[in-house]
Amino acid sequence: DAGITQSPRHKVTETGTPVTLRCHQTENHRYMYWYRQDPGHGLRLIHYSYGVKDTDKGEVSDGYSVSRSKTEDFLLTLESATSSQTSVYFCAIRTGLSYTFGSGTRLTVV
Amino acid sequence: GQQLNQSPQSMFIQEGEDVSMNCTSSSIFNTWLWYKQDPGEGPVLLIALYKAGELTSNGRLTAQFGITRKDSFLNISASIPSDVGIYFCAGQGGSQGNLIFGKGTKLSVKP
Repeated sequence: DAGITQSPRHKVTETGTPVTLRCHQTENHRYMYWYRQDPGHGLRLIHYSYGVKDTDKGEVSDGYSVSRSKTEDFLLTLESATSSQTSVYFCAIRTGLSYTFGSGTRLTVV
Repeated sequence: GQQLNQSPQSMFIQEGEDVSMNCTSSSIFNTWLWYKQDPGEGPVLLIALYKAGELTSNGRLTAQFGITRKDSFLNISASIPSDVGIYFCAGQGGSQGNLIFGKGTKLSVKP
């Protein structure tokens, strides 16, 4: 079991507020990813990290920032949440040639 | 950028029927993966394929890595209600070896 946890599991926030989602892994995997999942769009990559302080943008990175100050933690921040960022967010770690996903965070921006 | 076309988008089938779904791409991939997502959970790996032409089974699931390296299919035989969920294909070929995901096939099974 790859040991990946996301927190919180659910969050409701107001438009314009900052929000940070956390992904924690227990096995020192180098690559970590943040995706959002919306009906009709599948999984879309927001940002990923290939090491401590090493991050890169995915296809839908606007409005999001990430930080990775420790191997085990990958944080996703919405600087000023908008209703279009209401979604389910998944973190993943690269385990060998595949990914292992967390259980997701359901974020609602009202 | 690289894209995967996954079809069908959704399927409504009767329990006991066989299911087939596939992914195609204009790009070559070195690895094909199939995931299943249960409602309220993250995707879970079902089958991984590493060689062109490879055919791999996992219980009632069978997947193949296309000989051209540009496609893959997943078959589910004798479907049961717990097969309900969203199935994703993924190919390894993005920058830094990242996975590219299809948009998913939503499977509904009527008892």
